[in-house]
Amino acid sequence: GAGVSQSPSNKVTEKGKDVELRCDPISGHTALYWYRQSLGQGLEFLIYFQGNSAPDKSGLPSDRFSAERTGGSVSTLTIQRTQQEDSAVYLCASSLQENTEAFFGQGTRLTVV
Amino acid sequence: AQSVTQLDSQVPVFEEAPVELRCNYSSSVSVYLFWYVQYPNQGLQLLLKYLSGSTLVKGINGFEAEFNKSQTSFHLRKPSVHISDTAEYFCAVSEFGTNAGKSTFGDGTTLTVKP
Repeated sequence: GAGVSQSPSNKVTEKGKDVELRCDPISGHTALYWYRQSLGQGLEFLIYFQGNSAPDKSGLPSDRFSAERTGGSVSTLTIQRTQQEDSAVYLCASSLQENTEAFFGQGTRLTVV
Repeated sequence: AQSVTQLDSQVPVFEEAPVELRCNYSSSVSVYLFWYVQYPNQGLQLLLKYLSGSTLVKGINGFEAEFNKSQTSFHLRKPSVHISDTAEYFCAVSEFGTNAGKSTFGDGTTLTVKP
């Protein structure tokens, strides 16, 4: 596609439920990143994929968070047993190769009630 | 590990005035530097980046930034702002040897341009 696509754009879920957030990177981009943006704050790095492997998972805030990437393309970020503090905008970005510009999607706004 | 400090959380300015948004970083190795803009209800868009070469970098929409290694700064400037420049601006840094997409971001500066 022309840009990074994320779905859904908005998600409201009840505390304790699991959610899946999807990211379709730009075709041909080998690197994919997930960030979290809480209200009034900057971006917090969550996880990075190179191809289908995740060499850096250091940013995942707890074991309730996991992510996978298949076929070197689509990625899914899963949050289990959601908590209110998980409410944020989850941003996905992709880049062609090392040290090139990252392109961001519009984000998924997650609200846990 | 690297870190980024955006010195001003909010910058109000009148239309056609000059503006400077300040960014300082900390890193033990050489870095790449970026400025992103986020318009209301939109995703992040790259304004400009410094990878190597000339320390004065020109970006989109008339913005420019200067990399100052001795002061570990990468301040963003525009000589004359427009109402449409009202947005959130983020400074980001990534270290040599890591993918430029894995960046550490500042907390953002809200630029409000008033008529």
